Amino acid sequence: QVQLQESGPGLVKPSQTLSLTCTVSGGSISSGSYYWSWIRQPAGKGLEWIGRIYTSGSTNYNPSLKSRVTISVDTSKNQFSLKLSSVTAADTAVYYCARGLIIKGHDYWGQGTLVTVSS
Amino acid sequence: EIVMTQSPATLSVSPGERATLSCRASQSVSSNLAWYQQKPGQAPRLLIYGASTRATGIPARFSGSGSGTEFTLTISSLQSEDFAVYYCQQYNNWPPDTFGQGTKLEIK
Repeated sequence: QVQLQESGPGLVKPSQTLSLTCTVSGGSISSGSYYWSWIRQPAGKGLEWIGRIYTSGSTNYNPSLKSRVTISVDTSKNQFSLKLSSVTAADTAVYYCARGLIIKGHDYWGQGTLVTVSS
Repeated sequence: EIVMTQSPATLSVSPGERATLSCRASQSVSSNLAWYQQKPGQAPRLLIYGASTRATGIPARFSGSGSGTEFTLTISSLQSEDFAVYYCQQYNNWPPDTFGQGTKLEIK
């Protein structure tokens, strides 16, 4: 059973960089044709896809966030990471990591981690 | 960017009855459409992919239909655990993957 777990600071100051890591267990991040996504959800609102990475290192980002987002993968640690720069209060949300497949959408999700942007 | 529109925003249904949720895409997404269920404080759970294929472990009372721009999620006989928020997501034209705004299914 694949499991994903987000980790990182729960509080980030405005203008700084939000950094999160997703650790994958129960399977290799390199196996299969999966991609690995970050998705966020502000309190009481819907889901926003941030971007994804393939284990080849290829990435896709949401155009609305592209200038501020970097997603990377560390196959040796079975982890992938999110960096979001120049954050504002609008970036306050629960951040989820998820596994995806081109034909299937996102089949496994982490439990989510709340990141608050505040001074 | 493809815009996904779900209706209604809130649906009130009695346990044991049928619920029908709709999702419309601003342009064709073929059958590359997924449905997710989200309960309070939990991550979304994949219910349906390919517009009509149930994900592993999903009960048969959940069914999906449609293609192109019009999609439906039907829950044939609502159980207490089915009351939640449901999201559709297209993965045909990306980036970005886009989600609908959600339909809250509440107990009548």
